[in-house]
Amino acid sequence: AQSVTQPDIHITVSEGASLELRCNYSYGATPYLFWYVQSPGQGLQLLLKYFSGDTLVQGIKGFEAEFKRSQSSFNLRKPSVHWSDAAEYFCAVGGLLYNQGGKLIFGQGTELSVKP
Amino acid sequence: DVKVTQSSRYLVKRTGEKVFLECVQDMDHENMFWYRQDPGLGLRLIYFSYDVKMKEKGDIPEGYSVSREKKERFSLILESASTNQTSMYLCATFHSPGQPQHFGDGTRLSIL
Repeated sequence: AQSVTQPDIHITVSEGASLELRCNYSYGATPYLFWYVQSPGQGLQLLLKYFSGDTLVQGIKGFEAEFKRSQSSFNLRKPSVHWSDAAEYFCAVGGLLYNQGGKLIFGQGTELSVKP
Repeated sequence: DVKVTQSSRYLVKRTGEKVFLECVQDMDHENMFWYRQDPGLGLRLIYFSYDVKMKEKGDIPEGYSVSREKKERFSLILESASTNQTSMYLCATFHSPGQPQHFGDGTRLSIL
């Protein structure tokens, strides 16, 4: 079955510290992978996406993510966190499985808090 | 930029009422989705549509229906609202499989 797991429900980091949010997936074909961010009371905004090619992808707001096929992971990183990065982050997987038709499967989300 | 507009940001209704949530997109996308979001559960797919007048059930369709009379508009209907349908509802659209989905700002629905 297709699934996405974000093992960390809540993470707190200090401003200026580095960040890594974990995402593991299970998908029966070549996956397309996404990270979204949701600020309080808002919809989801796309941070970055992986379709193919270079396994290290750059996104908006200084975020990057690395696709590791052998580990079925797509972890999100940022070298120096800003207070405005406090939000909820969602990992999602989709693809071309015949019965999926492009639907996305979302993880449970990781809430990020930033300490001054 | 793709713009996805949900008609209400906040909505309060009473149990038993028929509730309509509207979503409009401006990019001529064929694919539209309705999700509900609850703490600790992430986003769960309610219904989706790949074309006008076409709909398919998602993972949690019970208690909901949808309408897609025009390409740009996808409506979610709560036939008889219940308190367990209190949630954040998100509409999304995308161009083709594998492309990212674009989301509206959400409707926070409270059923009293």
